Amino acid sequence: EVELLESGGGLVQPGGSLTLSCAAFGFTFNFFGLSWVRQAPGKGLEWVSSISGSGRDTYDADSVKGRFTISRDSSKNTMFLQMNSLRAEDTAVYYCVRRENYNSGSFDYWGQGTLVTVSS
Amino acid sequence: EIVLTQSPGTLSLSPGERVTLSCRASQDVSNNYLAWYHQAPGQAPRLLIYRASYRATGISDRFSGSGSGTDFTLTIARLDPEDFGVFFCQQYGTSITFGQGTRLDIK
Repeated sequence: EVELLESGGGLVQPGGSLTLSCAAFGFTFNFFGLSWVRQAPGKGLEWVSSISGSGRDTYDADSVKGRFTISRDSSKNTMFLQMNSLRAEDTAVYYCVRRENYNSGSFDYWGQGTLVTVSS
Repeated sequence: EIVLTQSPGTLSLSPGERVTLSCRASQDVSNNYLAWYHQAPGQAPRLLIYRASYRATGISDRFSGSGSGTDFTLTIARLDPEDFGVFFCQQYGTSITFGQGTRLDIK
């Protein structure tokens, strides 16, 4: 059974940094692309970043480009999101999602999310 | 950026009713790479439909998707109480964007 478990969320001050992790289970890790999607309180879904199965190709939304870095470690079956220069508008639940394919496709499995709150 | 506009914004219906939700794109969605997701209250979203008309694994045949180009629809044949919540469309043909969502409440 496919399972995605996020961790690392919490309260951080504006300008601070945080790293999210997503541990993956139940599928061949290197075969599938992964992404982060966030949802601000009471709002809709916003795509944040994506990474290919090998980790060679990464893509970021304009809203986080230059501040967030997505990566993955196949030895740990884990994906990461390094978030720097955090702003109040980054406050959201962050979901780890699996893509249908190696480097494309819809989001066929979702984690339960981890809450990031940026506030002084 | 491709902007997706969903309609209606909110609707209230009763179990057993049929409903059609709309998702309109600001430009053609490449390869009809359009997906629909359902988010129950307090839960993570769940994939219903991918590539406009293909049901995801384990999804009831009460759900069907159609459309191409810029106009897409999700139809639920008979509403079940577990169907209430928010529905989002997403295009993944040119970068990735989501619609603002349609909220479906129990009448």
